[in-house]
Amino acid sequence: GQQVMQIPQYQHVQEGEDFTTYCNSSTTLSNIQWYKQRPGGHPVFLIQLVKSGEVKKQKRLTFQFGEAKKNSSLHITATQTTDVGTYFCADAGGGADGLTFGKGTHLIIQP
Amino acid sequence: GAVVSQHPSWVICKSGTSVKIECRSLDFQATTMFWYRQFPKQSLMLMATSNEGSKATYEQGVEKDKFLINHASLTLSTLTVTSAHPEDSSFYICSASPGQRNSPLHFGNGTRLTVT
Repeated sequence: GQQVMQIPQYQHVQEGEDFTTYCNSSTTLSNIQWYKQRPGGHPVFLIQLVKSGEVKKQKRLTFQFGEAKKNSSLHITATQTTDVGTYFCADAGGGADGLTFGKGTHLIIQP
Repeated sequence: GAVVSQHPSWVICKSGTSVKIECRSLDFQATTMFWYRQFPKQSLMLMATSNEGSKATYEQGVEKDKFLINHASLTLSTLTVTSAHPEDSSFYICSASPGQRNSPLHFGNGTRLTVT
């Protein structure tokens, strides 16, 4: 898999505020997947983006894939305490290898 | 569906001993499973790709003689940490997918290994 850069590493927000994490690659991604890992837990698949410019929504979560397929973002509207965790983007690489994960963004929510 | 079970959840062992971690796909067959390692507050690093009926493919920098992988059946892969040392203490997670290549992965609950 290719290397994906993910920012920010940590994000502190007040409950109710919005949150966004970004992933960038220097090369074109075949597809990008997003996972959430709760503290002490394992990663759980959220969504996969395949098409250029694709936008998908899951309730308060909005996922975007850039037109050039080199970047992606996850936006959470009006965060809740249940959103706490680490959000990872992952590049499938187009091959048989396992996913290459970004460094993750740790979302910390202050009530 | 698509449940991956990993055992044990945690293990404490003495330096020099070996530890075996099991990863099972409970409701699907997995010709390929992936083993990841995660240090606290860090990302998941792919260690190796476990292939049913053949040798595992290790990532650069991962010692294959230290991290033995066996994928004897379509539902079971094992990772054995041999001659464990304190620096091997980490969170080990396996994953698999019931779908085709590049399909989303389902992760086991992970194994927290502490070597004293």
